[in-house]
Amino acid sequence: QVQLVQSGAEVKKPGASVRVSCKASGYTFTGYYMHWVRQAPGQGLKWMGWINPNSGGTNYAQNFQGRVTMTRDTSISTAYMELSRLRSDDTAVYYCARGTSGSGWPDYWGQGTLVTVSS
Amino acid sequence: EIVLTQSPATLSLSPGERATLSCRASQSVSNYLAWYQQKPGQAPRLLIYDASNRATGIPARFSGSGSGTDFTLTISSLEPEDFAVYYCQQRSNWPPTYTFGQGTKLEIK
Repeated sequence: QVQLVQSGAEVKKPGASVRVSCKASGYTFTGYYMHWVRQAPGQGLKWMGWINPNSGGTNYAQNFQGRVTMTRDTSISTAYMELSRLRSDDTAVYYCARGTSGSGWPDYWGQGTLVTVSS
Repeated sequence: EIVLTQSPATLSLSPGERATLSCRASQSVSNYLAWYQQKPGQAPRLLIYDASNRATGIPARFSGSGSGTDFTLTISSLEPEDFAVYYCQQRSNWPPTYTFGQGTKLEIK
């Protein structure tokens, strides 16, 4: 069965960077895009971007360009999302989600990783 | 950037009633629209993709319709487990870029 297992919660200071990992199993990792979506406390969902694990190609939402980097390691079926120059309003749960074949809709989701930014 | 506006913000209904949730796009998205359900403390769940196709394992009481700029998620007869927050999401053509609506909270009346 498809599973996405994310790394654990992080606490960071403003200005620092954070890297969240997402280990995939149960399917061919390189066959499906991987999305990253975040959700601030009590707020809605915000799409951050995707990575094509096969080519390494990426597409980032405008709001995150310049601060986000998505990478992958195909040898261990793991995707990464790094966010730099953290601010307090980056405090959120970060999700990875596999994109369906075809239109790429996020279908299987990780459990989420809480990133807290606080001085 | 395409903006999705969901209405109403909150919908109060009773089990057994029919729920109709709306999502309007600021410009045409063709049929590139999906719906998600999210319960507290859980990741979102894909319900409907490409405007009207039910995702795997989604009960038949959930249906989606619309194209262009106006879309609807209908729950024909509410079950207790359906009370949650619902989000729509659109996808632009190439490169695929996605945005979410702000959500509709479906609460028990």
